[in-house]
Amino acid sequence: AQSVAQPEDQVNVAEGNPLTVKCTYSVSGNPYLFWYVQYPNRGLQFLLKYITGDNLVKGSYGFEAEFNKSQTSFHLKKPSALVSDSALYFCAVRDNTDKLIFGTGTRLQVFP
Amino acid sequence: EPEVTQTPSHQVTQMGQEVILRCVPISNHLYFYWYRQILGQKVEFLVSFYNNEISEKSEIFDDQFSVERPDGSNFTLKIRSTKLEDSAMYFCASSEINNQHQHFGDGTRLSIL
Repeated sequence: AQSVAQPEDQVNVAEGNPLTVKCTYSVSGNPYLFWYVQYPNRGLQFLLKYITGDNLVKGSYGFEAEFNKSQTSFHLKKPSALVSDSALYFCAVRDNTDKLIFGTGTRLQVFP
Repeated sequence: EPEVTQTPSHQVTQMGQEVILRCVPISNHLYFYWYRQILGQKVEFLVSFYNNEISEKSEIFDDQFSVERPDGSNFTLKIRSTKLEDSAMYFCASSEINNQHQHFGDGTRLSIL
């Protein structure tokens, strides 16, 4: 069965420092991988996706993620964090069906 | 940028009552979805809908749930007889084709009393 793991409930980082939010996945076949961000009282906003091609994917707001097939990981990164990046981040996987399977989410806190 | 819109933003309903949650997907999108997020838990898939029929549903989506696209713009989720455990945030999503990312609405918070 498909699954996604986000091992950290919360990540704290100082503004200006690089950030990493971890995600590992388990899926049969080729994975379609996504990152979404959720701000308070809002829906999920798409950040980036990996379907095929380059393992390093660039997305919105300066975020990027690296697909690593051997480690079955898709960690979200940003070189320099902003206080406004503080939010809840969800990794999701989709195989050859329609549905997205989400991780439990990681709360990112960026301190000034 | 086009958005998925959901109404109402908050719905309070007595247990046992029927509730209809409404969504207007992005106009040229063909695939529609409902997800829910119980407070403090992860987002869970409920159902996907394409070409006027359900294409996949989860075990959560039992006989109490139904979806409909009554016209060319709306996509609704109906819960026939609500239970306390139906209290959650319900998100509608749509995509243009099924290997593109899904666009989510801001959700309807459903509170069952």
